[in-house]
Parts: sequence; structure tokens; C-alpha cells
Amino acid sequence: DAGITQSPRHKVTETGTPVTLRCHQTENHRYMYWYRQDPGHGLRLIHYSYGVKDTDKGEVSDGYSVSRSKTEDFLLTLESATSSQTSVYFCAISEVISNQPQHFGDGTRLSIL
Amino acid sequence: KQEVTQIPAALSVPEGENLVLNCSFTDSAIYNLQWFRQDPGKGLTSLLLIQSSQREQTSGRLNASLDKSSGRSTLYIAASQPGDSATYLCAVSGAGGTSYGKLTFGQGTILTVHP
Repeated sequence: DAGITQSPRHKVTETGTPVTLRCHQTENHRYMYWYRQDPGHGLRLIHYSYGVKDTDKGEVSDGYSVSRSKTEDFLLTLESATSSQTSVYFCAISEVISNQPQHFGDGTRLSIL
Repeated sequence: KQEVTQIPAALSVPEGENLVLNCSFTDSAIYNLQWFRQDPGKGLTSLLLIQSSQREQTSGRLNASLDKSSGRSTLYIAASQPGDSATYLCAVSGAGGTSYGKLTFGQGTILTVHP
């Protein structure tokens, strides 16, 4: 399995609180991604990173920010969590070359009450 | 905006059957297409990746084809087994520049193989 660790794996919090999810990789891959998975919507890209300090928005970036200060860590922050951000969040990594697939972490289940 | 559709949404078959899962996408300007498997409560496992210049890829009992011009891919599973039961997801990667690696997913096909 690709060396991807997401933390925490489960979290319950209240509306309005800040939340940070962490993705840590041991593969030294350049690209890292955050997706959310919701019934009826499938997986959607939130933000991605193409290098240290290089990030860009995905399809559903509103209400989320990211940071990548080291190759191995990609953080996703909900500045003020809302109930609509209750979801399962997946981190993925990939290399630059086109014939390499994305590898996914096991996900973080986030519930916002 | 790229849209990916998977048909059928769910499929239940007896063990041993050969089956086909379908994926279609609206924008043919893709870098690659990937098929993933997801077990309940788990992350995604990559099954096959087809580059835009390729027509098919095979791994064991799995064969995926790509017709980029018509915006279609199929995943063929031979001699299905109960262990194949999972959700199968198709995803396409945008082509060029900062679109590379940005996957657009279909909503998946839930496969149940019963003994």
C-alpha cells in the first residue's frame, strides 16, 4: 500500500469551530489532493498541491483552505465548520508522469453538528 | 465542465458471470482514465489506468478499454467472484497545464456477486 496516513480518522465537532485534517505521505510524490465524498455527489476535488507551497483550487473549494510547507504533509482547514461540510474526506497522492495512478488514503469521517 | 456518468448504478450477478461496467465522459480532452475499487468504509484502490493514447489495459481478470473520441470506457470483469463485490469508480484526468491529475469521478457502480 502507498504510504499515506490521514489523521484523524474520525472527528465530531460543532458548527463554527475550526478543523484541520492532516495528510502525511512517505512516497515523496509531488502531487497531493483533497477530495470529499458525499452520497449523490460522488468524489469531488477540494484543493490540490503540485509542490511545496504550490496549491490550487478544485471544484468545491469554498470554505476550505490548504497548506503545504513540506513535501510529505498537506493540511486541509475548515476555518469555521458548517453542517454542509459533514463528509468523508480523502487525501490522494500521485507522481508527475502520466502512467502512474493516484493513490488514496483511508479517509477521515467528519461530522459537524 | 467535464461530467462522468457510470451505468448501471448497481449490478447484482451470480458468481462466475462475466460482466461489463460502463463509463462515459463529456470532454474527450483527457490525460488518462482510471478505474478504482472502493470497499465499504475504505479508501480507493487503483485497478487500471489507461493513458489517452492507449486503447486498453489488462490486469488479471480485469480488462479496461478506452474510446476517447466517443467518450467511453468499459471495465470487463471475467469470471466474477464474491470477493469482487465493491463499488467501482471511473475517473478522468484533465489534460494539460494545471489540469493534470485533477480527477473527475463518476458516481460509481455498486457490484454484488452472490455465491
